[in-house]
Amino acid sequence: AQKVTQAQTEISVVEKEDVTLDCVYETRDTTYYLFWYKQPPSGELVFLIRRNSFDEQNEISGRYSWNFQKSTSSFNFTITASQVVDSAVYFCAPLRQNFVFGPGTRLSVLP
Amino acid sequence: ETGVTQTPRHLVMGMTNKKSLKCEQHLGHNAMYWYKQSAKKPLELMFVYSLEERVENNSVPSRFSPECPNSSHLFLHLHTLQPEDSALYLCASSQVGGDLNYGYTFGSGTRLTVV
Repeated sequence: AQKVTQAQTEISVVEKEDVTLDCVYETRDTTYYLFWYKQPPSGELVFLIRRNSFDEQNEISGRYSWNFQKSTSSFNFTITASQVVDSAVYFCAPLRQNFVFGPGTRLSVLP
Repeated sequence: ETGVTQTPRHLVMGMTNKKSLKCEQHLGHNAMYWYKQSAKKPLELMFVYSLEERVENNSVPSRFSPECPNSSHLFLHLHTLQPEDSALYLCASSQVGGDLNYGYTFGSGTRLTVV
């Protein structure tokens, strides 16, 4: 069985603050992919990053960074110097055969 | 056009109506999906088509009927829906069997309201 936990239901920060979104993925699989998607108010799901279970290197892309630790099954996402346009629901999603989406974290960045 | 296009963006229908949602992908992918997103609930996988064959049907009520005439088009036919079926319906496509470099590509969704 697979389980995705995004413990933070809603987060509010003030613009320019850093914010970290937590994701814990429980699985017995040894090989899997993990994704982060962003869902702005417009509705579509926007791909942010893919990480496979063998690659524990952290990754930085502009203001976004990801920290994957297989030992703790955590795949956390940090936004540095947040902006109002970052306001969205963020989903951590493991890929086995089909995506299993967690409940998501609603991030509100206030001006 | 590029990506995944869903029409209509918004739909209001009565419980006795019949309507269809349309999804079209221009990415050359060979798998397509319908997801349902209700308020305050996780995204739910409804149907999966791979190489135009339905490979998964997650106990979806028969009032939802999918159709995949070719690898680029996916429909969701709706009839005698209930108010609790009001939700955002998202279509996605992916390339199955290869390296899913970017995971799924999602459409913008159809916001369905059943009155």
